[in-house]
Amino acid sequence: GAVVSQHPSRVICKSGTSVKIECRSLDFQATTMFWYRQFPKQSLMLMATSNEGSKATYEQGVEKDKFLINHASLTLSTLTVTSAHPEDSSFYICSAISAGGTDTQYFGPGTRLTVL
Amino acid sequence: QKEVEQNSGPLSVPEGAIASLNCTYSDRVSQSFFWYRQYSGKSPELIMSIYSNGDKEDGRFTAQLNKASQYVSLLIRDSQPSDSATYLCAVRGSGGSNYKLTFGKGTLLTVNP
Repeated sequence: GAVVSQHPSRVICKSGTSVKIECRSLDFQATTMFWYRQFPKQSLMLMATSNEGSKATYEQGVEKDKFLINHASLTLSTLTVTSAHPEDSSFYICSAISAGGTDTQYFGPGTRLTVL
Repeated sequence: QKEVEQNSGPLSVPEGAIASLNCTYSDRVSQSFFWYRQYSGKSPELIMSIYSNGDKEDGRFTAQLNKASQYVSLLIRDSQPSDSATYLCAVRGSGGSNYKLTFGKGTLLTVNP
């Protein structure tokens, strides 16, 4: 149980394009999902908290107009990196908390974004 | 500023030994504590959660929590080369429905055959 998937697992795009990453809870409903970014040899950095049916809450320093988050259902949240630039190249990881469960965050496998 | 501190390592132990990973946190009213394992290039996977003072055992893993000392540890018995990874300590503070975690920077563990 508590499986979280992400798609795509790896994406390479040109500078200036937009990239959408999907995060799905496969066997549970997730009222809350989180989006993290991790640069090489660094720890996870929380970007935003996504609650189903409401606007995401962004961490300080994260541009909400650049990183668009949509949590349209209890099993799906999407992160769109708009007008991506090489400095956005990173490992993006989502996590989800089961509605009615404990406060444990279950992580997706991550999406490696490379912007050329 | 809530902080979670871990020794970055690397911590190197021989196969079969006990590996001891430590973590301290600054938010005294923190409620939930987690250990995640992260292999290089992969996302974190949950090893254990602990909520109450004392020890919690799961197979070869034992988590220890001391809220008075604001300290949480993870012991890995009979360490295996496959345990070689970065171990992340994560703490959830107070705040009701706010489930945000604060992560330490992780300790790199190497188990030598």
